[in-house]
Amino acid sequence: DAKTTQPNSMESNEEEPVHLPCNHSTISGTDYIHWYRQLPSQGPEYVIHGLTSNVNNRMASLAIAEDRKSSTLILHRATLRDAAVYYCILRGYGGSQGNLIFGKGTKLSVKP
Amino acid sequence: DTGVSQNPRHKITKRGQNVTFRCDPISEHNRLYWYRQTLGQGPEFLTYFQNEAQLEKSRLLSDRFSAERPKGSFSTLEIQRTEQGDSAMYLCASSLTVGGNEKLFFGSGTQLSVL
Repeated sequence: DAKTTQPNSMESNEEEPVHLPCNHSTISGTDYIHWYRQLPSQGPEYVIHGLTSNVNNRMASLAIAEDRKSSTLILHRATLRDAAVYYCILRGYGGSQGNLIFGKGTKLSVKP
Repeated sequence: DTGVSQNPRHKITKRGQNVTFRCDPISEHNRLYWYRQTLGQGPEFLTYFQNEAQLEKSRLLSDRFSAERPKGSFSTLEIQRTEQGDSAMYLCASSLTVGGNEKLFFGSGTQLSVL
């Protein structure tokens, strides 16, 4: 699986938007971009994923660069409950997809 | 849907003892994954099953580790002759493959402390 690069930590104020960047310059044409987050003392939880087009769901939005070498997870209004470690992961499509390979992620702190 | 269940939540053992963890996936999920996580690090893949077949094992899974998923339902992860370096959170996840990219659902983990 191709590698991703994320900042170690970010800070945000409550109720403000948060943009979490991820670089994946070696992404292949069939790699999906997945985001998971891990709240303290819990297992990771799925947030969103996409291939080429921007994606929205109830949790977040995913903006994917035109060349797909980077992406941004957008939390539109951060809450204290969004404080977590956010992981950006590339995963191949179809066949034996195998496992998710996690990096260290970005630790997001949200200030009231 | 009761989510992925892991037992026990915490396990304290002495070095050299054997331990076994259990994971109950979301019903009808055909894939089951085991990960290990130490403080400040992301989860590290150990192994995964598709139904009852163990399809992939990480090099992290030494011969002291064995995982089973009889009948493709719950899974157990056993660590024999535990070492202090085995202390970690052991996470289980399950997913349903429907021909495309699936989402993994994780349990809350089993925290192992080896004294």
